Amino acid sequence: KAGVTQTPRYLIKTRGQQVTLSCSPISGHRSVSWYQQTPGQGLQFLFEYFSETQRNKGNFPGRFSGRQFSNSRSEMNVSTLELGDSALYLCASSTGSGKEKLFFGSGTQLSVL
Amino acid sequence: GDSVTQMEGPVTLSEEAFLTINCTYTATGYPSLFWYVQYPGEGLQLLLKATKADDKGSNKGFEATYRKETTSFHLEKGSVQVSDSAVYFCALISSNTGKLIFGQGTTLQVKP
Repeated sequence: KAGVTQTPRYLIKTRGQQVTLSCSPISGHRSVSWYQQTPGQGLQFLFEYFSETQRNKGNFPGRFSGRQFSNSRSEMNVSTLELGDSALYLCASSTGSGKEKLFFGSGTQLSVL
Repeated sequence: GDSVTQMEGPVTLSEEAFLTINCTYTATGYPSLFWYVQYPGEGLQLLLKATKADDKGSNKGFEATYRKETTSFHLEKGSVQVSDSAVYFCALISSNTGKLIFGQGTTLQVKP
């Protein structure tokens, strides 16, 4: 069974640009969550999608958005990039039933110059 | 709101030493508690979990006990190996919001 796949693995952008990250969950998983990981702030929850609907949201500005497709694949978009958006963005999938195990991808390392 | 506090790292140990990484939490209700591990260049992997008070999670020689009276979930291992070098995250799923909330992470470095 394939794991959670995130693409691309690395990204370099400049301030003001926008970026789209992709996450393909484990087959059969309907929930996809996104996290931002930085050395200073640790892991912070961005949002969770379940069956194409946003089910939970963290405390990030509106520049951060996401969506989920009917095949459960998810994309995350960051507009008007700032230097502080440089981070490892992790995606996790689960069946979505509640207090169950999350499976994480290897992440997309975003560098904003 | 709910939160998780871990001891600051890095923690540097010699091979076969005893490991403790402290984790305490603040939460309303009855959260589930987790330890995740992140090896260099990889995403997080679930190491162990406990879903109710006095439960003990264990995996790969690591253990943690859900202590409601002290709101703690300390990670222990009797004899660490070089291959255990990684970042360890304590986390909870809030019974109110359903969100998975992580601690800051503790870097463990094991030297031969």
